[in-house]
Amino acid sequence: AQTVTQSQPEMSVQEAETVTLSCTYDTSESDYYLFWYKQPPSRQMILVIRQEAYKQQNATENRFSVNFQKAAKSFSLKISDSQLGDAAMYFCAFTQGGSEKLVFGKGTKLTVNP
Amino acid sequence: SQTIHQWPATLVQPVGSPLSLECTVEGTSNPNLYWYRQAAGRGLQLLFYSVGIGQISSEVPQNLSASRPQDRQFILSSKKLLLSDSGFYLCAWSVRGFLAGANVLTFGAGSRLTVL
Repeated sequence: AQTVTQSQPEMSVQEAETVTLSCTYDTSESDYYLFWYKQPPSRQMILVIRQEAYKQQNATENRFSVNFQKAAKSFSLKISDSQLGDAAMYFCAFTQGGSEKLVFGKGTKLTVNP
Repeated sequence: SQTIHQWPATLVQPVGSPLSLECTVEGTSNPNLYWYRQAAGRGLQLLFYSVGIGQISSEVPQNLSASRPQDRQFILSSKKLLLSDSGFYLCAWSVRGFLAGANVLTFGAGSRLTVL
């Protein structure tokens, strides 16, 4: 079974600085997708970024980018120029290509200090 | 545009009472539908998912059940709640198949259930 591990229960960053959240996953498949979701205090889950495993280029969305290391099965999220509104729980998620199911990690709580 | 509605937002129920959480999606057809539970300080646990009317897949054997009576309606139920059923329940939908946007989940606002 696929598993997703987020080894950092909590992280903090100073406003305007850069922070990297870690995620590793375990799968024997070659076709899959990886995601980062954000859950602010409102509890509304929001998609941050998506990466297809077949793409070598790392996905980027404005201040958010990933470092996808397929051989190492690592999928870290980098947040640049951190803002107070980035404070949230961040969940890494995995789905196998053709599967309807997404598996989530336990999350990392990010605090942004002014 | 697509929207997802989930209700009630907050629910306090005694142990042994029944439960019904409802989720509806607008602006799309034939979605995949999901129920996740988020316990305090933990990640998201997939409870049920559905790829069509009347088609329910259960991921975790437990005190809960799910039904999909209509294409865009997904209901989470229990006949008798347990203390351990307390948590934050999230409904989500995704595009079915290999279309653009497949595998991307869009979540509802969640339902906080407290069982006393």
